Amino acid sequence: AQTVTQSQPEMSVQEAETVTLSCTYDTSENNYYLFWYKQPPSRQMILVIRQEAYKQQNATENRFSVNFQKAAKSFSLKISDSQLGDTAMYFCAFMNPYNQGGKLIFGQGTELSVKP
Amino acid sequence: DTEVTQTPKHLVMGMTNKKSLKCEQHMGHRAMYWYKQKAKKPPELMFVYSYEKLSINESVPSRFSPECPNSSLLNLHLHALQPEDSALYLCASSQGQGIPQPQHFGDGTRLSIL
Repeated sequence: AQTVTQSQPEMSVQEAETVTLSCTYDTSENNYYLFWYKQPPSRQMILVIRQEAYKQQNATENRFSVNFQKAAKSFSLKISDSQLGDTAMYFCAFMNPYNQGGKLIFGQGTELSVKP
Repeated sequence: DTEVTQTPKHLVMGMTNKKSLKCEQHMGHRAMYWYKQKAKKPPELMFVYSYEKLSINESVPSRFSPECPNSSLLNLHLHALQPEDSALYLCASSQGQGIPQPQHFGDGTRLSIL
């Protein structure tokens, strides 16, 4: 069974600085997808970034980028130029759409606080 | 604006009440999901509907009864709930099971059981 581990329950960063959230996963499968979701206090789970395992190039979305290390089964999220609106719970998630009905396997989350 | 709409946003009910949560999407997605989420915890999958048929039931107690009347709507009927059922209930949709596309979530319904 797949597992996803986020080892940092809480993190804080000063506004405008850079922060990296860690995520590791365990799977014996070769084709899968990884996601970072953000959940601010407003409750909605928002997709931040996605990575296909077959792509070697790291995904980037504006200030958000990932460091995907397939061999190490690591998928960290880097947030550059942190903004107050980045304050939220961040969940790393694994999915194999071809197995287990495409279920999302979530990590336990990292609560990020951006301080002014 | 969220593309998955959930109503109501808040619900308080007694243990003997019957109520329903509603979820609607107009993105043409064919898979819809119900999750339960406790504070500062990840969402826990409850049910998955694929093409309006129940595909996954994660051993959820029968006091939760899902329904998918059509491809755009998903309901969760609640009856005789327990205090431990108080949580945020999230609905999500995706293009389909087996399709490598992300799930889109609604804002959730905050449920409190008295």
